[in-house]
Amino acid sequence: GQQLNQSPQSMFIQEGEDVSMNCTSSSIFNTWLWYKQEPGEGPVLLIALYKAGELTSNGRLTAQFGITRKDSFLNISASIPSDVGIYFCAAGANAGNNRKLIWGLGTSLAVNP
Amino acid sequence: EAQVTQNPRYLITVTGKKLTVTCSQNMNHEYMSWYRQDPGLGLRQIYYSMNVEVTDKGDVPEGYKVSRKEKRNFPLILESPSPNQTSLYFCASSTGLMHGTGELFFGEGSRLTVL
Repeated sequence: GQQLNQSPQSMFIQEGEDVSMNCTSSSIFNTWLWYKQEPGEGPVLLIALYKAGELTSNGRLTAQFGITRKDSFLNISASIPSDVGIYFCAAGANAGNNRKLIWGLGTSLAVNP
Repeated sequence: EAQVTQNPRYLITVTGKKLTVTCSQNMNHEYMSWYRQDPGLGLRQIYYSMNVEVTDKGDVPEGYKVSRKEKRNFPLILESPSPNQTSLYFCASSTGLMHGTGELFFGEGSRLTVL
């Protein structure tokens, strides 16, 4: 099936550093979402984006819906140990009916205290 | 507390022995879905349901069945499990409204091993 190109695949950073990850696609999407999965748990929604160019923050997290509608990025500022986990991007093609999301393979983040 | 509950959380079974993984949500969500997660393959959708009695195949439906007789429940059935169905399974739900179907609430996962 179709997948998003998510990079980097993994990151190992020092506490306090900023983090940036992105997702790209050759297709246009109307919704971009970012999820975080901690060990032993299901993914949890971090940020949802519905408009091209939209920039949305959730605490230290900031995500943007690319103007071309083919990409999105997620930034984490001043990382802390509890940021550890796998971050997934997902995108939906049909506004109002995102029954089948397309998923990236995830970015695994490790934070050294 | 709003939640999606899956059972069992862990299961080891043998090839061919029918099993059901239950999923229940208490948020009155219309949309429910099953995913499997495998190393290097990310999350892949098995089946989804837009509402009661409405189900449709995802990307990897082979070997699975689902039913949606009630709004809150969406069981995943493996009629004759095989080792390639060893995986971590997630149930998810969402409101199904205008933007809601992308904003998924996930269960904690069910780790299935088929010997």
